[in-house]
Amino acid sequence: GDSVTQMEGPVTLSEEAFLTINCTYTATGYPSLFWYVQYPGEGLQLLLKATKADDKGSNKGFEATYRKETTSFHLEKGSVQVSDSAVYFCALSPWGGGADGLTFGKGTHLIIQP
Amino acid sequence: NAGVTQTPKFQVLKTGQSMTLQCAQDMNHNSMYWYRQDPGMGLRLIYYSASEGTTDKGEVPNGYNVSRLNKREFSLRLESAAPSQTSVYFCASSRRGQNTEAFFGQGTRLTVV
Repeated sequence: GDSVTQMEGPVTLSEEAFLTINCTYTATGYPSLFWYVQYPGEGLQLLLKATKADDKGSNKGFEATYRKETTSFHLEKGSVQVSDSAVYFCALSPWGGGADGLTFGKGTHLIIQP
Repeated sequence: NAGVTQTPKFQVLKTGQSMTLQCAQDMNHNSMYWYRQDPGMGLRLIYYSASEGTTDKGEVPNGYNVSRLNKREFSLRLESAAPSQTSVYFCASSRRGQNTEAFFGQGTRLTVV
């Protein structure tokens, strides 16, 4: 079946550091890929998405590129802020859609220190 | 624009008690989902409903029941709560098909003592 693997952390960085959170997936065909963010005490919010190979999703300074050849969708940000501290989830929607929704990774807890 | 609304936000139950978590969405989505979130386990799918009138088991359905009351509402019931059901529960909804993201509620933090 489909699966998503991401580094779990916690990942601790200083403010203004460069961020990479790795995400790789296993799925047939051409899934859609997503990054969600969960701030403390809140639900998950969509951060960005990419629906086909080589697409780049971007939002709020975060970027991720859909790499079919390496089955990856790594999240990057050039200069993190304390307000970026949250849990980040990589997810996929199966090719053709799936009745049981998205497949999620286990989440990466990001802590940004001032 | 409310999106996905869950109630209650917090709940404490005694072992053996029952309760129903409510979820409603106002986006006219066909699909709705219930997840639980536990430390180190990520999100695990409990039940889902691909359309009004249908429900199916997810990864961890034991101890839960669901009802898709209409297109808007999807409730989760714990008939006899156990400490292992202490968790944060999220309801989500989406349109059907590929490329569609899910929209999440704010969550219900449930403690079973």
